[in-house]
Amino acid sequence: AQKVTQAQTEISVVEKEDVTLDCVYETRDTTYYLFWYKQPPSGELVFLIRRNSFDEQNEISGRYSWNFQKSTSSFNFTITASQVVDSAVYFCALSEAQRGSQGNLIFGKGTKLSVKP
Amino acid sequence: DVKVTQSSRYLVKRTGEKVFLECVQDMDHENMFWYRQDPGLGLRLIYFSYDVKMKEKGDIPEGYSVSREKKERFSLILESASTNQTSMYLCASSLSGRVTDTQYFGPGTRLTVL
Repeated sequence: AQKVTQAQTEISVVEKEDVTLDCVYETRDTTYYLFWYKQPPSGELVFLIRRNSFDEQNEISGRYSWNFQKSTSSFNFTITASQVVDSAVYFCALSEAQRGSQGNLIFGKGTKLSVKP
Repeated sequence: DVKVTQSSRYLVKRTGEKVFLECVQDMDHENMFWYRQDPGLGLRLIYFSYDVKMKEKGDIPEGYSVSREKKERFSLILESASTNQTSMYLCASSLSGRVTDTQYFGPGTRLTVL
């Protein structure tokens, strides 16, 4: 069973639009971490945010914000006033305490965001 | 800043060749990982290592082996490359194996096997 689901395969928006990338996860652990990574066309995955399962406060960093809701097992990512430089593939990932205690990440399949001028 | 480097950005090899992909990190991280990334499949873990000379299979280890002789270096080996191993290969490292630890990624190697 897929543990991290990013239902949106591709999203296309026009610059300055707001866009939300969805992430739904599944775990039986009470202690876990959620991550978002950005992969621009250059290929390198860039770490954006880490959130632990005990902290449901929303996080804002500039134009980026994250909404973590344990009740719906979701960790959604919103980009406000999108820019062309936001065009990338975005991955949501889960780290569970029980998964071999090696901090291995379970990735979603990614959402490709295209921001057009 | 954490820096993870990979020996090649692009690589073209022939079927049956032995292929080495090298990864080096400069932050004294204990854990290192090899993933492959394919369209529609996301990232899949091939192998990881939590210490020098220690390795564990990931989700898709078949056709691959790894070597970690020094803490900073983690090599992925394709003993006899096949066309279905054409893919993007990503290396990552993390401080340790705690659930809290962030993985930092290299730029990737796009391997084509002809």
